[in-house]
Amino acid sequence: DGGITQSPKYLFRKEGQNVTLSCEQNLNHDAMYWYRQDPGQGLRLIYYSQIVNDFQKGDIAEGYSVSREKKESFPLTVTSAQKNPTAFYLCATSRSGAYEQYFGPGTRLTVT
Amino acid sequence: GDSVTQMEGPVTLSEEAFLTINCTYTATGYPSLFWYVQYPGEGLQLLLKATKADDKGSNKGFEATYRKETTSFHLEKGSVQVSDSAVYFCALRDYNTNAGKSTFGDGTTLTVKP
Repeated sequence: DGGITQSPKYLFRKEGQNVTLSCEQNLNHDAMYWYRQDPGQGLRLIYYSQIVNDFQKGDIAEGYSVSREKKESFPLTVTSAQKNPTAFYLCATSRSGAYEQYFGPGTRLTVT
Repeated sequence: GDSVTQMEGPVTLSEEAFLTINCTYTATGYPSLFWYVQYPGEGLQLLLKATKADDKGSNKGFEATYRKETTSFHLEKGSVQVSDSAVYFCALRDYNTNAGKSTFGDGTTLTVKP
Protein backbone atom coordinates (compact mmCIF):
# COMPACT_ATOMS: atom_id res chain seq x y z
CA ASP A 1 0.00 0.00 0.00
CA GLY A 2 1.74 3.15 -1.17
CA GLY A 3 1.70 6.20 1.01
CA ILE A 4 3.27 8.51 3.54
CA THR A 5 3.61 7.65 7.20
CA GLN A 6 4.05 10.22 9.93
CA SER A 7 4.55 9.15 13.47
CA PRO A 8 3.44 9.66 16.08
CA LYS A 9 0.08 11.32 15.45
CA TYR A 10 0.26 13.20 18.77
CA LEU A 11 3.46 14.22 20.50
CA PHE A 12 3.94 15.99 23.82
CA ARG A 13 7.21 17.53 25.00
CA LYS A 14 8.48 19.80 27.69
CA GLU A 15 9.95 23.15 26.78
CA GLY A 16 13.69 23.02 26.17
CA GLN A 17 13.69 19.49 24.73
CA ASN A 18 14.51 18.65 21.13
CA VAL A 19 12.02 16.38 19.39
CA THR A 20 12.19 14.51 16.08
CA LEU A 21 9.17 13.94 13.86
CA SER A 22 9.26 11.00 11.51
CA CYS A 23 8.21 10.98 7.84
CA GLU A 24 8.53 7.85 5.68
CA GLN A 25 7.29 7.31 2.13
CA ASN A 26 7.12 4.36 -0.25
CA LEU A 27 5.90 6.30 -3.28
CA ASN A 28 9.43 6.48 -4.73
CA HIS A 29 9.09 10.26 -4.96
CA ASP A 30 12.26 12.31 -5.17
CA ALA A 31 11.05 15.41 -3.37
CA MET A 32 9.94 15.69 0.26
CA TYR A 33 8.68 18.67 2.26
CA TRP A 34 7.86 19.76 5.79
CA TYR A 35 5.12 22.27 6.49
CA ARG A 36 3.83 23.84 9.65
CA GLN A 37 0.13 24.64 10.09
CA ASP A 38 -1.21 26.77 12.93
CA PRO A 39 -4.92 26.87 13.85
CA GLY A 40 -7.01 28.59 11.21
CA GLN A 41 -3.98 29.32 9.09
CA GLY A 42 -2.44 28.10 5.88
CA LEU A 43 0.72 26.11 5.32
CA ARG A 44 4.20 27.46 5.90
CA LEU A 45 7.19 25.68 4.37
CA ILE A 46 9.94 24.72 6.81
CA TYR A 47 12.40 22.66 4.72
CA TYR A 48 12.35 20.73 1.48
CA SER A 49 14.56 18.22 -0.26
CA GLN A 50 14.60 17.39 -3.95
CA ILE A 51 17.23 14.67 -3.77
CA VAL A 52 18.99 12.49 -1.22
CA ASN A 53 21.71 14.25 0.80
CA ASP A 54 20.47 17.69 -0.23
CA PHE A 55 17.86 20.01 1.28
CA GLN A 56 16.93 23.70 1.27
CA LYS A 57 15.46 26.06 3.81
CA GLY A 58 11.88 27.12 3.38
CA ASP A 59 10.23 30.24 4.72
CA ILE A 60 10.45 29.42 8.45
CA ALA A 61 13.51 27.20 8.91
CA GLU A 62 14.82 28.85 12.09
CA GLY A 63 14.72 26.46 15.04
CA TYR A 64 14.31 23.38 12.85
CA SER A 65 16.73 20.90 11.27
CA VAL A 66 16.35 18.02 8.79
CA SER A 67 18.33 15.23 7.19
CA ARG A 68 17.82 13.25 3.99
CA GLU A 69 20.07 10.21 4.15
CA LYS A 70 17.60 7.92 2.38
CA LYS A 71 15.09 8.57 -0.35
CA GLU A 72 12.30 7.17 1.80
CA SER A 73 12.91 9.22 4.93
CA PHE A 74 12.95 12.93 5.81
CA PRO A 75 12.91 13.43 9.61
CA LEU A 76 12.35 16.86 11.11
CA THR A 77 13.92 17.91 14.40
CA VAL A 78 12.25 20.71 16.33
CA THR A 79 14.97 22.19 18.49
CA SER A 80 14.74 24.15 21.70
CA ALA A 81 15.60 27.25 19.67
CA GLN A 82 12.14 27.21 18.07
CA LYS A 83 10.23 29.81 20.06
CA ASN A 84 6.71 28.56 19.51
CA PRO A 85 6.84 24.90 18.42
CA THR A 86 3.26 23.88 19.24
CA ALA A 87 1.61 23.25 15.86
CA PHE A 88 0.40 20.67 13.36
CA TYR A 89 3.27 19.40 11.19
CA LEU A 90 2.68 18.00 7.73
CA CYS A 91 5.08 16.03 5.57
CA ALA A 92 4.56 15.89 1.81
CA THR A 93 6.16 14.32 -1.25
CA SER A 94 6.07 14.85 -4.98
CA ARG A 95 7.61 13.70 -8.20
CA SER A 96 10.11 16.08 -9.81
CA GLY A 97 8.39 18.69 -11.96
CA ALA A 98 5.22 20.71 -11.61
CA TYR A 99 3.27 17.87 -10.10
CA GLU A 100 0.88 17.67 -7.21
CA GLN A 101 2.00 16.98 -3.67
CA TYR A 102 0.95 14.03 -1.53
CA PHE A 103 0.52 14.67 2.16
CA GLY A 104 0.91 12.51 5.22
CA PRO A 105 -1.67 12.45 8.04
CA GLY A 106 0.29 14.95 10.15
CA THR A 107 1.77 15.08 13.64
CA ARG A 108 0.29 17.38 16.26
CA LEU A 109 3.09 18.58 18.54
CA THR A 110 2.32 20.17 21.88
CA VAL A 111 5.12 21.73 23.91
CA THR A 112 4.43 22.89 27.46
CA GLY B 1 7.38 36.07 -6.44
CA ASP B 2 4.46 33.70 -6.83
CA SER B 3 1.34 34.21 -4.73
CA VAL B 4 -2.16 32.78 -4.34
CA THR B 5 -5.14 34.72 -2.99
CA GLN B 6 -8.24 32.86 -1.88
CA MET B 7 -11.67 34.03 -0.94
CA GLU B 8 -11.81 34.61 2.79
CA GLY B 9 -13.95 32.33 4.88
CA PRO B 10 -15.61 30.87 6.63
CA VAL B 11 -18.29 29.96 4.12
CA THR B 12 -21.53 28.45 5.40
CA LEU B 13 -24.05 26.90 3.01
CA SER B 14 -27.14 24.77 3.21
CA GLU B 15 -27.08 21.30 1.71
CA GLU B 16 -27.66 21.29 -2.10
CA ALA B 17 -26.56 24.94 -2.45
CA PHE B 18 -24.14 26.07 -5.16
CA LEU B 19 -20.55 26.59 -4.09
CA THR B 20 -17.95 29.00 -5.46
CA ILE B 21 -14.59 29.60 -3.79
CA ASN B 22 -12.56 32.22 -5.60
CA CYS B 23 -8.84 31.84 -6.22
CA THR B 24 -6.53 34.18 -8.11
CA TYR B 25 -2.82 33.84 -8.57
CA THR B 26 0.32 35.74 -9.51
CA ALA B 27 3.13 33.88 -11.22
CA THR B 28 5.97 34.87 -13.52
CA GLY B 29 5.98 31.59 -15.42
CA TYR B 30 3.40 29.01 -16.49
CA PRO B 31 2.30 27.23 -13.34
CA SER B 32 0.20 24.18 -12.73
CA LEU B 33 -2.79 24.90 -10.48
CA PHE B 34 -4.31 22.73 -7.77
CA TRP B 35 -7.14 22.53 -5.27
CA TYR B 36 -6.51 20.53 -2.12
CA VAL B 37 -9.00 19.60 0.61
CA GLN B 38 -8.28 19.08 4.30
CA TYR B 39 -10.72 17.32 6.62
CA PRO B 40 -10.43 17.96 10.37
CA GLY B 41 -7.28 16.52 11.91
CA GLU B 42 -5.97 15.15 8.62
CA GLY B 43 -3.42 15.99 5.96
CA LEU B 44 -4.30 17.62 2.63
CA GLN B 45 -5.62 15.58 -0.28
CA LEU B 46 -5.49 16.59 -3.92
CA LEU B 47 -9.00 17.45 -5.10
CA LEU B 48 -8.29 18.48 -8.70
CA LYS B 49 -5.65 20.05 -10.90
CA ALA B 50 -5.05 21.80 -14.22
CA THR B 51 -1.71 22.09 -15.95
CA LYS B 52 -2.31 24.64 -18.71
CA ALA B 53 -4.59 27.49 -19.72
CA ASP B 54 -8.25 26.55 -20.40
CA ASP B 55 -7.84 23.12 -18.80
CA LYS B 56 -10.72 22.11 -16.55
CA GLY B 57 -10.00 19.96 -13.53
CA SER B 58 -12.85 17.95 -12.04
CA ASN B 59 -13.40 15.41 -9.29
CA LYS B 60 -16.29 14.36 -7.02
CA GLY B 61 -18.58 16.99 -8.55
CA PHE B 62 -16.08 19.83 -8.04
CA GLU B 63 -14.72 21.75 -11.03
CA ALA B 64 -12.22 24.51 -11.67
CA THR B 65 -11.02 26.05 -14.95
CA TYR B 66 -7.54 27.48 -15.47
CA ARG B 67 -8.14 31.04 -16.74
CA LYS B 68 -4.89 32.66 -17.80
CA GLU B 69 -6.52 35.91 -18.92
CA THR B 70 -7.96 36.53 -15.45
CA THR B 71 -5.26 34.55 -13.56
CA SER B 72 -7.98 32.63 -11.76
CA PHE B 73 -8.85 29.06 -10.77
CA HIS B 74 -12.21 29.29 -9.01
CA LEU B 75 -13.60 26.14 -7.38
CA GLU B 76 -17.28 25.31 -8.03
CA LYS B 77 -19.75 22.60 -7.11
CA GLY B 78 -23.37 22.54 -8.15
CA SER B 79 -24.84 20.91 -5.05
CA VAL B 80 -22.85 20.61 -1.83
CA GLN B 81 -23.31 17.93 0.80
CA VAL B 82 -22.64 17.92 4.54
CA SER B 83 -19.66 15.66 3.83
CA ASP B 84 -18.03 18.47 1.79
CA SER B 85 -17.42 20.43 5.01
CA ALA B 86 -13.64 20.93 5.09
CA VAL B 87 -10.90 23.46 4.44
CA TYR B 88 -10.05 24.06 0.78
CA PHE B 89 -6.64 25.27 -0.38
CA CYS B 90 -5.76 26.68 -3.78
CA ALA B 91 -2.12 26.19 -4.81
CA LEU B 92 0.26 26.64 -7.69
CA ARG B 93 3.55 25.08 -8.65
CA ASP B 94 5.85 26.51 -11.28
CA TYR B 95 8.80 24.20 -11.60
CA ASN B 96 10.62 26.42 -14.09
CA THR B 97 10.74 29.54 -11.94
CA ASN B 98 10.45 28.18 -8.41
CA ALA B 99 11.77 24.66 -8.62
CA GLY B 100 10.59 22.33 -5.89
CA LYS B 101 8.25 24.72 -4.11
CA SER B 102 4.49 25.09 -4.14
CA THR B 103 2.65 28.25 -3.17
CA PHE B 104 -0.56 27.83 -1.16
CA GLY B 105 -3.44 30.14 -0.41
CA ASP B 106 -4.54 30.62 3.20
CA GLY B 107 -7.41 28.16 2.91
CA THR B 108 -11.18 28.63 2.96
CA THR B 109 -13.28 26.83 5.55
CA LEU B 110 -16.57 25.46 4.23
CA THR B 111 -19.37 24.34 6.52
CA VAL B 112 -22.44 22.72 4.97
CA LYS B 113 -25.54 22.51 7.16
CA PRO B 114 -28.28 19.89 6.66
